[in-house]
Amino acid sequence: EDQVTQSPEALRLQEGESSSLNCSYTVSGLRGLFWYRQDPGKGPEFLFTLYSAGEEKEKERLKATLTKKESFLHITAPKPEDSATYLCAVPSEGGGSYIPTFGRGTSLIVHP
Amino acid sequence: NAGVTQTPKFQVLKTGQSMTLQCAQDMNHNSMYWYRQDPGMGLRLIYYSASEGTTDKGEVPNGYNVSRLNKREFSLRLESAAPSQTSVYFCASSFDPGNYGYTFGSGTRLTVV
Repeated sequence: EDQVTQSPEALRLQEGESSSLNCSYTVSGLRGLFWYRQDPGKGPEFLFTLYSAGEEKEKERLKATLTKKESFLHITAPKPEDSATYLCAVPSEGGGSYIPTFGRGTSLIVHP
Repeated sequence: NAGVTQTPKFQVLKTGQSMTLQCAQDMNHNSMYWYRQDPGMGLRLIYYSASEGTTDKGEVPNGYNVSRLNKREFSLRLESAAPSQTSVYFCASSFDPGNYGYTFGSGTRLTVV
C-alpha cells in the first residue's frame, strides 16, 4: 500500500532559525511529489511539484528537494508568517486515475 | 476572484438528517474533488470527477453521493448523516487528473450531533 509519512508532526522555531521538514513515501513508480501550505481555517495552497530525484524548487524562504525515497522542505530564516501546516502528497493509482495521497502534515510555528 | 467556492461554511446536523454541500469553480478546470480532513488523519479523498459526466469513488466514499452538475459545479450529498461524518470538507479542482496543482476551496466545517 502506498504511504506518505511526514515528520515531525509539529515544529516550533524561533524567527531566523532554519530547519527542514521531511516527507517520505513508498510508491512504485513516482509520478511526482507535491507540497502544499495550509493556514488555519483555510484550504491547502499549492506550493511546489517535484518530479525526479535531484530536482529542487524554491519560493521565497522555502526550498523543496527530492530524493528517490523522500522530500525535504527547507525553511531558511523563517518568519512568523511562515507559520502554517505543510502537507506533501504523492499520486497513487485508483480507479484508473492517479490521485494524490496526502501526508498528515507538519505544523510549523515560528515565534518572533 | 477566481477560485473554488464552497457553501455553506459551517453546518450542524442532527443524526439522520441529509444535506448537500455545494462547490463551484470558475477556472475552467476539468477535474473536481471532494476531500475530508480530520485531526491526525490528513486529507482523504471521498469522490472525484475527472471530467464532466464522470464520477469515481475515492478512499472513503461510504455514506456519500456526488453529482457533477456541469463543468463548474460538483456537489456532495450526505443522505443520512452520522456523527462519524463530523469533519471539515474541502472541494478542489484541477485542469486534469494528472495535474496536482489543485486549487482548494476554503472548506465546510460540518458537525453531526
